[in-house]
Amino acid sequence: AQKVTQAQTEISVVEKEDVTLDCVYETRDTTYYLFWYKQPPSGELVFLIRRNSFDEQNEISGRYSWNFQKSTSSFNFTITASQVVDSAVYFCALRSSGGGGNKLTFGTGTQLKVEL
Amino acid sequence: EAQVTQNPRYLITVTGKKLTVTCSQNMNHEYMSWYRQDPGLGLRQIYYSMNVEVTDKGDVPEGYKVSRKEKRNFPLILESPSPNQTSLYFCASSSRADYGYTFGSGTRLTVV
Repeated sequence: AQKVTQAQTEISVVEKEDVTLDCVYETRDTTYYLFWYKQPPSGELVFLIRRNSFDEQNEISGRYSWNFQKSTSSFNFTITASQVVDSAVYFCALRSSGGGGNKLTFGTGTQLKVEL
Repeated sequence: EAQVTQNPRYLITVTGKKLTVTCSQNMNHEYMSWYRQDPGLGLRQIYYSMNVEVTDKGDVPEGYKVSRKEKRNFPLILESPSPNQTSLYFCASSSRADYGYTFGSGTRLTVV
């Protein structure tokens, strides 16, 4: 069975602070994919990144960076110099090579509030 | 533009009145899925389809039906909606070859 845990329900920071969103996953598969999505107040899901299980290289995209560590089954997301526009719910998700029609297993999400 | 289109975006209905939420994709994707999002629970898969005429239950299928008569369309049917089906619904599609997903904009359903 697959599971994704986002232990942080809500995080509040002041603008320009750095913030890290944690994601821990469980799967028995050796081939799997990890995702991060952003859900702004408007409700749509915005794709941020996809990582496969064979690529542990960390990635940076502007103010966003991701740290993938298979040894701890974690795929954490850091926002540097946060901005008010980063306020949203962030979901981590896992897809393995098993059934479910490419099912994504989502974490419960982390609500990030960035205040002035 | 490659996209998944859901309709309607918002819907308020009464208990027991049958409704359909439509989903259409223009990317020729084989896989399509429906998810519901509830506070504190994240998104959970309702039903999925691996191709035309091939559908199966996800994690929370009770009270829902789907059909896949054409590759592009995957409607979600609530035969007799109940208040516990009040939720935010997402349709998603993906191809066999690519492990990425495309989500629709969501449908906010309220059953009173």
